Amino acid sequence: GENVEQHPSTLSVQEGDSAVIKCTYSDSASNYFPWYKQELGKRPQLIIDIRSNVGEKKDQRIAVTLNKTAKHFSLHITETQPEDSAVYFCAAGYSTLTFGKGTMLLVSP
Amino acid sequence: GAVVSQHPSRVICKSGTSVKIECRSLDFQATTMFWYRQFPKQSLMLMATSNEGSKATYEQGVEKDKFLINHASLTLSTLTVTSAHPEDSSFYICSAREDSRGRRDTQYFGPGTRLTVL
Repeated sequence: GENVEQHPSTLSVQEGDSAVIKCTYSDSASNYFPWYKQELGKRPQLIIDIRSNVGEKKDQRIAVTLNKTAKHFSLHITETQPEDSAVYFCAAGYSTLTFGKGTMLLVSP
Repeated sequence: GAVVSQHPSRVICKSGTSVKIECRSLDFQATTMFWYRQFPKQSLMLMATSNEGSKATYEQGVEKDKFLINHASLTLSTLTVTSAHPEDSSFYICSAREDSRGRRDTQYFGPGTRLTVL
């Protein structure tokens, strides 16, 4: 089955800095790579996703890159704000998703 | 659009009782729904895939007789935790995958159900 590794487990940045979270996956059949943001006690919210026929996707301050050859994908958040503080999960799969262990992002004012 | 509801949000029950959790896609059809379990400060672990009109597909290590799943319509899946024990206490989250063309990979999550078994 799929195995997803996510790093770092925690990330502290100053407001305005950029944040990068990286994930690797094992199953070359995976073709869908979403990123979710989860605030404490709340549901995971899809923030961006990418499919295997695309190498990069951007939505305002958020971007995701995918390297299928190396089996890794990354989330980039620019101009971070305190409200970006949350746990971020990457996932990989096709019919089902396997989630990474999460990254707790803390943005300090 | 793509709203998923879950009920109840919180339940406390005695050991040995059964608890039913409902997951509904409110504004879209979902042939496929998923049930996850999340322990505090941990990731989402897929328990089973719920398929409308057919049997659920359980992940390895998940007891199908303990976690009963029914997906009777295109907008409703239920998870019943039978004979619950304290170790079943957890945060259970469902997700629904929209059937419409072009978005079939995307999963939208419900708000979760906090189960506490005394």
